[in-house]
Formats: sequence, C-alpha cells, structure tokens
Amino acid sequence: GQSLEQPSEVTAVEGAIVQMNCTYQTSGFYGLSWYQQHDGGAPTFLSYNALDGLEETGRFSSFLSRSDSYGYLLLQELQMKDSASYFCAVSDNQGGKLIFGQGTELSVKP
Amino acid sequence: NAGVTQTPKFRILKIGQSMTLQCAQDMNHNYMYWYRQDPGMGLKLIYYSVGAGITDKGEVPNGYNVSRSTTEDFPLRLELAAPSQTSVYFCASSSPDRSTNEKLFFGSGTQLSVL
Repeated sequence: GQSLEQPSEVTAVEGAIVQMNCTYQTSGFYGLSWYQQHDGGAPTFLSYNALDGLEETGRFSSFLSRSDSYGYLLLQELQMKDSASYFCAVSDNQGGKLIFGQGTELSVKP
Repeated sequence: NAGVTQTPKFRILKIGQSMTLQCAQDMNHNYMYWYRQDPGMGLKLIYYSVGAGITDKGEVPNGYNVSRSTTEDFPLRLELAAPSQTSVYFCASSSPDRSTNEKLFFGSGTQLSVL
C-alpha cells in the first residue's frame, strides 16, 4: 500500500519563500509529483522528480530524497495567486496508478 | 484541443438512483483515471485504465463500475447511489511515456449530491 503525509496548512507573506513537505511510504516507487489546485478548480501539474535532487521551473522547485522517502515543493517570490492547495502524489510499482496526499493549503497574506 | 471533457458538471441524485459520469479525452492518452474529492480532502483513486479493454481498481472502488471500450472514453457508473457518494468527481488522463505518465491532465469535475 501507499501513504503520504503533508502538513494541512501553511501561511506565508507575499514575496517570501515557502517550503511544503511530503513524506511517503510505498511498496514500490517511481517518482514524486506535485499538483496545484485552486478552490473549486481542477488540479494542475507542477513538477515531477524521479531522481534525487532539485528540479527548478521558474519560481517553483521540487526536491526528492529517495533514501529518506521525502520531498518538498519550494515556492519563491510568493504572489497572492499562489494561494491554493498543493498535493504530492506517488505511483506504485505498477506505474500509472497515481495516489495523492491530503494536500497542504497555502495562504499568502499581503 | 478540448483536453479532458467531463459531463455533467452538476447532478443531484436520489438514494438508489443510477447514473453514468462521462469522460472523454482527445489527446490519444492511454492512461485514464477517476478520482473523487470530498470537501477539504485529497483525491482518492476510484478506478484507472492503462488502455482500451483494461481497467483496474484504485483505493475506493466499491459502489462504482467502469468500462473502457475506446481510447477516448472512460465512463464511470454509479449503480445504487448512496449519500456517501456525494463528492466532486475528477477524470484525468496521461501519456504512457515513462517520463510523462505522472503528468495528469484533469477534467473540470462533476459535482454530485446524493440526497
């Protein structure tokens, strides 16, 4: 089976940097994904890490440590529009069967 | 391209009624998924499919059925609706390419209430 843990809420101020963590337990592991969901909307893909290390895409970076079963999403230069829920997700050894965490709700304050 | 299209957007059912949630994608993706999301919670995988004619159970399959007769369509069937099935349902698809199959494209969702 698989399980993922994320903090339920994080609050940060505009312009700051925020890190959202994800720890996981899986029987098999292919990679860690991150998705963003604004209230009432569909989730959208942000990033994917299959190997240890940091992946950067603009203001977003994602990190993975396979030995620690841990990853995080880093958002820099926070903007009000970044207020949303952020989900980590893993696939099991079958591939394609993506399981999501409960999500972290990020609130960005002026 | 339309991407992933779900219908209907909203539906109210009475306990015991049946319905089918429709999902279609035009990206020629082999992988398709159905998730449900309860308020304030994460997405729970109901069923998924890795290609036409192949389906498999996810985390919460009880009370649902699926079929995959074509690459494009992946309908979800509720046979005897129960209040516990009140949720938002998302359909998604992805390419089987190993480097991109964790990049899911989601439909806009169906908000279902069972009363």
